[in-house]
Amino acid sequence: GESVGLHLPTLSVQEGDNSIINCAYSNSASDYFIWYKQESGKGPQFIIDIRSNMDKRQGQRVTVLLNKTVKHLSLQIAATQPGDSAVYFCAEGANTGNQFYFGTGTSLTVIP
Amino acid sequence: DAGITQSPRHKVTETGTPVTLRCHQTENHRYMYWYRQDPGHGLRLIHYSYGVKDTDKGEVSDGYSVSRSKTEDFLLTLESATSSQTSVYFCAISEGGPTGELFFGEGSRLTVL
Repeated sequence: GESVGLHLPTLSVQEGDNSIINCAYSNSASDYFIWYKQESGKGPQFIIDIRSNMDKRQGQRVTVLLNKTVKHLSLQIAATQPGDSAVYFCAEGANTGNQFYFGTGTSLTVIP
Repeated sequence: DAGITQSPRHKVTETGTPVTLRCHQTENHRYMYWYRQDPGHGLRLIHYSYGVKDTDKGEVSDGYSVSRSKTEDFLLTLESATSSQTSVYFCAISEGGPTGELFFGEGSRLTVL
């Protein structure tokens, strides 16, 4: 199967600092990527996506960077807030496949 | 929020009993998915549907069956529940399949004793 993994299982940041969460993927054919936020007891919440024809995409306080050369994806959260504390994971999909593949997640803790 | 409703949200059952989980969407999306989420495994695909009566297996489909008789409903059935099927089950929907936005329901927590 596909391998979508995260470099760090946990991340603690000070409130107001920027957070960077990383994701490695293995399928060179993947052309669509999504970042999700999952709070305890809830379903994954769509944050931002990016297609393989882009290197960077920005949303509200979040930026996703895609490096296809090294098959690496990152999520940057600006001015991290306590409400950002959650598990974040990435997903990849491809036109040539029929499903998404997910990483196990990084747990982000924001210290007030 | 995407209009996805899962039921029941919590269920405790005994080994060997049948269980059906329901996913209902109001978005008229073509693709519907059932995933299970277990510690250390991330989300794993059980079955998916790409249209009414069109379904296919995912990576962990053994012991599960699905049906989709209407666009808005996707049912997941455990014919004879086992303890290994204790998990949190998520339904997801997408209009574009694996290259389109994927939205999740709130999950159904199933405990098989």
